[in-house]
Amino acid sequence: KQEVTQIPAALSVPEGENLVLNCSFTDSAIYNLQWFRQDPGKGLTSLLLIQSSQREQTSGRLNASLDKSSGRSTLYIAASQPGDSATYLCAVANTGGFKTIFGAGTRLFVKA
Amino acid sequence: EPEVTQTPSHQVTQMGQEVILRCVPISNHLYFYWYRQILGQKVEFLVSFYNNEISEKSEIFDDQFSVERPDGSNFTLKIRSTKLEDSAMYFCASTTAWASGANVLTFGAGSRLTVL
Repeated sequence: KQEVTQIPAALSVPEGENLVLNCSFTDSAIYNLQWFRQDPGKGLTSLLLIQSSQREQTSGRLNASLDKSSGRSTLYIAASQPGDSATYLCAVANTGGFKTIFGAGTRLFVKA
Repeated sequence: EPEVTQTPSHQVTQMGQEVILRCVPISNHLYFYWYRQILGQKVEFLVSFYNNEISEKSEIFDDQFSVERPDGSNFTLKIRSTKLEDSAMYFCASTTAWASGANVLTFGAGSRLTVL
């Protein structure tokens, strides 16, 4: 049974810092991994998707890496801004399945 | 940009009542999903739906739940007899075919269900 863990659970940083959010999963037979952003009381916005054959994806100040063999992914946020404050969710889709399993998220607060 | 639309945004119901949550997925998407998030907890998978049938369901999705695609655009989640513990935000999501692995899961804004 796939389990997804995110560390840290919460993070507070001053504006401008670079930061790394961590995600680990127990079953390496994944189809893809997605990072989402969730604002309080809102839906989920997809940030980056990494296919199982890929090692990383980049979008603007965001970079996500994937190491399937070790069951890990990281989301790197460069030059953080107060507008980045949100909960970041890691989600793994299993091979041959039709479901995506979510981690509990990292709640990020960027102080101005 | 295409989006997944959910209605209602918030529904309050009495325990034991039937509730139907509605979703309009992105028009060219083929796979449809329901997830739920109890306040302060993880987003949990409920069910996936493809080609007019359930592809996979979780242990949460018991006989009290059902899904339907009554026409070419809507995708509904029905809870037959609501319980207090069904109070949660319910998210609909859709995606294109799975073959490529590049299928981004697109979520709606959610329907908040409060059971009294």
